[in-house]
Order: sequence, then C-alpha cells, then structure tokens
Amino acid sequence: EIVLTQSPATLSLSPGERATLSCRASQSLSSYLAWFQQKPGQAPRLLIYDASNRAPGIPARFSGSGSGTDFTLTISSLEPEDFAVYYCQQRSDWPVTFGQGTRLEIK
Amino acid sequence: QVKLVESGGGVVQPGRSLRLSCAASGLTFNTYPMHWVRQAPGKGLEWVAVISYDGRNEYYADSVKGRFTISRDNSKNMVYLQMNSLRAGDTAVYYCTRGAYGQSIFDYWGQGTRVTVSS
Repeated sequence: EIVLTQSPATLSLSPGERATLSCRASQSLSSYLAWFQQKPGQAPRLLIYDASNRAPGIPARFSGSGSGTDFTLTISSLEPEDFAVYYCQQRSDWPVTFGQGTRLEIK
Repeated sequence: QVKLVESGGGVVQPGRSLRLSCAASGLTFNTYPMHWVRQAPGKGLEWVAVISYDGRNEYYADSVKGRFTISRDNSKNMVYLQMNSLRAGDTAVYYCTRGAYGQSIFDYWGQGTRVTVSS
C-alpha cells in the first residue's frame, strides 16, 4: 500500500498570505495525485487532480505541482473561506490511499 | 447537475449487517465507476470499495474485504454497499463518490450517511 505523508500537520497563516502544503509518497505516483479541501460537516471537495489540473470551478489561487514522490499544493493568497483541512490522494496503485491531512488555521 | 444522495446509515450492533444506498442523478450513470469512501469520527479519509461502470469488477480495501460488498443497478442509477459482520472500527460517515474520466478521480461526492456500530 502506498503511504502518503502530509506536512505540516497544522499550518497557521493569516488571510492574504501564501500557503504551501506538502504531500510525500512512499513510492512514485507519476502524476496521479489529487488534492481535496474539507470543511467541518461537509464532504471533501476536489481541488486538483493529476498533480496540477484544477478541477472545474476551482479558483486560480489554488495550484498543484510535483511528480514522482513529492507534491505541493499552493494557495497564492489566502481567503477567509480557505481555512479548512486539506487531503492528498493517490490513484497510482490499488488501494487508493489518502494522506492524513493538513489543517490550515487562521493565525 | 450531478447529485449523489446516500441513505441507510444508522446505529447497529457489532456483528450485524447494514446496507447503504446511493442515488445518483444528473449524470450518465452507467459510464462511471462508483466508489465508497469513509471517514471515522475526527479522522481522515479511507477508501473502501469501487465498482466498475458495468458492475463486472469490484475492488475492496483490505479492512473490509470479505465483509462488505459493493453493487450497482444501472437501471435505477443506484449503487449499494452491503456491510456484514460490522465492527466498532467501521463506525464512520460513508460517502458515495464518482470516478471521473473512468479513473479514481473523485469529482462529485454525496453528503454522507453516518454508521455507528455500538452495543
């Protein structure tokens, strides 16, 4: 099973700042990595798929990069609604696995 | 507009069974693989099972293999999760999600249905 390790566990930033979230895989994923945002009481929302493709309707301030084992989600300028938990997910091999999440909180 | 609506959750005793349902609308249902993903209270996301667009192939997480069965009825736009021999560790919110582009790209999710396994 491919293990995804997200860092940091918690990120404290202020609105307007840049957020950089990391996801590292235990083996190469090629580019088969997605990012999700989840707010309390809500289902996850797909942000990025295949490392760098924004899902429809996702604002341009969200971007993804990386390949192989190291991936990054960047939020260029944080809006108040961006404070949430973020998960990465791989589809390179079965079973599909998720990272443990990064909590992005308001500083 | 794509909509996925789960139902069937509830409180059940260990060892008992429960069947979850997911009603899909706004999509050509018989062209997408469908997945179940769960989230234990206060925890992260765990993929549970997938069924191919035509129902011929299924895959399961090791944690549920042999106990859970995923199925679909393309004539009704429904996907199901039959859960047998339930354990306390199966307590979670269960989400139904679509595999976009025929892949495990989860672009639409239901609101989830809560399953609590407790005596």
